[in-house]
Amino acid sequence: TQLLEQSPQFLSIQEGENLTVYCNSSSVFSSLQWYRQEPGEGPVLLVTVVTGGEVKKLKRLTFQFGDARKDSSLHITAAQPGDTGLYLCAGAHSGYALNFGKGTSLLVTP
Amino acid sequence: SAVISQKPSRDICQRGTSLTIQCQVDSQVTMMFWYRQQPGQSLTLIATANQGSEATYESGFVIDKFPISRPNLTFSTLTVSNMSPEDSSIYLCSGGLALSGEQYFGPGTRLTVT
Repeated sequence: TQLLEQSPQFLSIQEGENLTVYCNSSSVFSSLQWYRQEPGEGPVLLVTVVTGGEVKKLKRLTFQFGDARKDSSLHITAAQPGDTGLYLCAGAHSGYALNFGKGTSLLVTP
Repeated sequence: SAVISQKPSRDICQRGTSLTIQCQVDSQVTMMFWYRQQPGQSLTLIATANQGSEATYESGFVIDKFPISRPNLTFSTLTVSNMSPEDSSIYLCSGGLALSGEQYFGPGTRLTVT
């Protein structure tokens, strides 16, 4: 059972455009993590959000955790070809087990 | 962050054989996990590797098919036994940090079964 719904599943945009990826659940998470994965590599942790309503920025990437800690969003401003990859959200309940969303495959073309 | 290494990076194996994948993590990691991933898709947790005891398997995964060892805090192996083409996938090891619960991933092992 996929506890996290991630959308969109695929996204193809041109360089310079903005985009938002959503991660939604009916469950409350103690924390939520965002990863980016490039072909042939393992997922790389981008950010962890813990507090409801929290907003974190990583250069052109903005991450937000919902007030109820059930959902999150990733916004990319002025996307670049280097942003291309598979974006995964993962929620943690207790302990360390992560529940992954299905992922958003992003392609940014020059 | 944590450094996770994994080997082999890829292998092509014949049906009916077994492959053991090794994972080494740096010392700050307390939890270790094994995942399976089809290219371009999300990760499915196989099991949590427990130090000095049997791994904890998720639904749909059994010890006879995926035996896991973790003889010490920083090393674990996953064996894919009696392989069939359906086992072709990417196998990923991750290490979890105690305080934050964050997980860090190895580069993965791409397995092809012919």
